[in-house]
Amino acid sequence: DAGVIQSPRHEVTEMGQEVTLRCKPISGHDYLFWYRQTMMRGLELLIYFNNNVPIDDSGMPEDRFSAKMPNASFSTLKIQPSEPRDSAVYFCASGPRRDTEAFFGQGTRLTVV
Amino acid sequence: DQQVKQNSPSLSVQEGRISILNCDYTNSMFDYFLWYKKYPAEGPTFLISISSIKDKNEDGRFTVFLNKSAKHLSLHIVPSQPGDSAVYFCAAKVRTETSGSRLTFGEGTQLTVNP
Repeated sequence: DAGVIQSPRHEVTEMGQEVTLRCKPISGHDYLFWYRQTMMRGLELLIYFNNNVPIDDSGMPEDRFSAKMPNASFSTLKIQPSEPRDSAVYFCASGPRRDTEAFFGQGTRLTVV
Repeated sequence: DQQVKQNSPSLSVQEGRISILNCDYTNSMFDYFLWYKKYPAEGPTFLISISSIKDKNEDGRFTVFLNKSAKHLSLHIVPSQPGDSAVYFCAAKVRTETSGSRLTFGEGTQLTVNP
């Protein structure tokens, strides 16, 4: 298995533009997580899905952020409109139901200028 | 509200010596604890875990100790190797039917092992 795949690896965009981050979880994993890493807040959970259904989105910072999981093999995290303070590394992770560790992708480094 | 805290942002040790990374938590509902290692430009990778019913778990050079009364855990690496240089994240979870792998992370500790 190739592991969790995220795209793009790097994204530079102008303030006000829409940004879409993509994730392909490990096949067979029931859980998908979106995390954000910043210097100030470390790794924080934004939202997670179980069987494609959003379970907890309390970590989503604002309505500008939205996430979808249309099927078991694909998820998106969208920021519209983007702001400079959204600059961070965004990680997608997936995990099987009963196991306890999550497997992370390599992350997308987002820079909003 | 930082429920998992790693108070040392960095640690430097000599190759061959022991590295001890510390982590404190405040949520008494946490019943599973994990350590992740992260190299630059990569995602965190799982290293070792411990259930709250244990006080020690060992895997090769890595040992995690849990002190529930103090709400404290530590990761020992012995002997330390230069390749261990990375950011180490402590994480915790409450295992329920729906929580899956929902993890709360600490801020991370940058470990540098000097040759």
